[in-house]
Amino acid sequence: KAGVTQTPRYLIKTRGQQVTLSCSPISGHRSVSWYQQTPGQGLQFLFEYFSETQRNKGNFPGRFSGRQFSNSRSEMNVSTLELGDSALYLCASSLEGPGSGNGYTFGSGTRLTVV
Amino acid sequence: AQSVTQLGSHVSVSEGALVLLRCNYSSSVPPYLFWYVQYPNQGLQLLLKYTTGATLVKGINGFEAEFKKSETSFHLTKPSAHMSDAAEYFCAVSKRTGTASKLTFGTGTRLQVTL
Repeated sequence: KAGVTQTPRYLIKTRGQQVTLSCSPISGHRSVSWYQQTPGQGLQFLFEYFSETQRNKGNFPGRFSGRQFSNSRSEMNVSTLELGDSALYLCASSLEGPGSGNGYTFGSGTRLTVV
Repeated sequence: AQSVTQLGSHVSVSEGALVLLRCNYSSSVPPYLFWYVQYPNQGLQLLLKYTTGATLVKGINGFEAEFKKSETSFHLTKPSAHMSDAAEYFCAVSKRTGTASKLTFGTGTRLQVTL
C-alpha cells in the first residue's frame, strides 16, 4: 500500500512569505503528526491531528498552524517565514496515534529553505 | 514530562562488529518505546517497538532491543554491522494513555560503519 506522501519535497521561500506543506497519510490512518527537524534542535513536535481535530500541540509560535481534512489529509502552514524556519518538515501517520502504541509511519519530508 | 537520552552522538564500528546504541528514558510510568532509523534525505523508518509482553524485541534488518525497566533503558543492538547500517538512529517514547500523547525523540546517534 502507498506510504505517507509529502509534497513538495523541496521548497525555497523568502523571509516574510508564507508556505503550505501537504501530507497524505496511509489509507485508513486517522492520526497525522508534524515534526520539524533541524541540526540544532533535532526532532521537535509541532502538532497532531485526529479526525480533523487538533489533539496536541508543541511549543511553537502561532505562525505555525495546521489542519486536517475529512479524508485525513493534512496541511501545515507557516506564515511570516523567518530564516530559522529552514528545516526538514516531517509528517507521520498512525492508525490511532502514539498513545495506542502503534508508532508512526513517516513521509520523506519537505525540505524548506528560507532565504 | 517524558524525556529520552541517547548516549553518544556518533558511534563508529567496523563491519562485522557488534552494534550497541544506548537509550535511556525518563517517565513516571513505563512508556511505549521505539527505535527509528533515518537515511540521508529521507524520513524515519520504524526499526522496532516495545509496547507490552516480552522485553526483548526483534526488529527489521537484524536489530533488536531489550526493555529494562529497572535501568529505564532500551538499548539497540545488532550482532554484526553491515555497511548499509550506516545511518542516524533515534530512540523515541510515548505515553501509554491519553489522547494528548506524542512521540518524544532523543537527539539521535549517527552510526558509522568502517571496513
